[in-house]
Amino acid sequence: EAAVTQSPRNKVTVTGGNVTLSCRQTNSHNYMYWYRQDTGHGLRLIHYSYGAGNLQIGDVPDGYKATRTTQEDFFLLLELASPSQTSLYFCASSDAGGAGAETLYFGSGTRLTVL
Amino acid sequence: SQWGEENLQALSIQEGEDVTMNCSYKTYTTVVQWYRQKSGKGPAQLILIRSNEREKRSGRLRATLDTSSQSSSLSITGTLATDTAVYFCATERGSALGRLHFGAGTQLIVIP
Repeated sequence: EAAVTQSPRNKVTVTGGNVTLSCRQTNSHNYMYWYRQDTGHGLRLIHYSYGAGNLQIGDVPDGYKATRTTQEDFFLLLELASPSQTSLYFCASSDAGGAGAETLYFGSGTRLTVL
Repeated sequence: SQWGEENLQALSIQEGEDVTMNCSYKTYTTVVQWYRQKSGKGPAQLILIRSNEREKRSGRLRATLDTSSQSSSLSITGTLATDTAVYFCATERGSALGRLHFGAGTQLIVIP
């Protein structure tokens, strides 16, 4: 089974703080994603990547940067955190089996609180 | 039913009952995926149904897809307390990979 590991599990920062969320997948998947999940809403795509050095913009990218350093590692950066970025963040990977047909494997999430 | 910015739906049933959750989507898709998210975990795919299948079964799960009405459903027969979770449908958005759109989800509570 696909393994996606996120760290930290919980993070508290202050407004204006600098935060990096980490994600590692060990299944040689090409695609990796960052989503945020807020109460009452589904998952919203922030950024995704189809390989080391590649970055694609998702649906809610404002205030976020991302970097894919290797096939395994994908980072989400909040350089000036704001309270509106308080959320549950999920990383996922996929083997991209075709448009809409890829299976996403999710990590367990990082809960970020911005005070 | 769930789609896009709709609020999270909630269902509460007794263990052993059957349940059906619905999903409507706005744009053309050839694939609908259903995911389940248990408390404290990330979502996990349950079933993927393609437009040429109309119905797909996996154990106690049954998914349907009606492209003419742009809707999909997920049914669970003989629910268990362990089925308590949030259930999401997800559809493709255009031909670009990585553009799955998730619905707001249905919170299912199965009372033992």
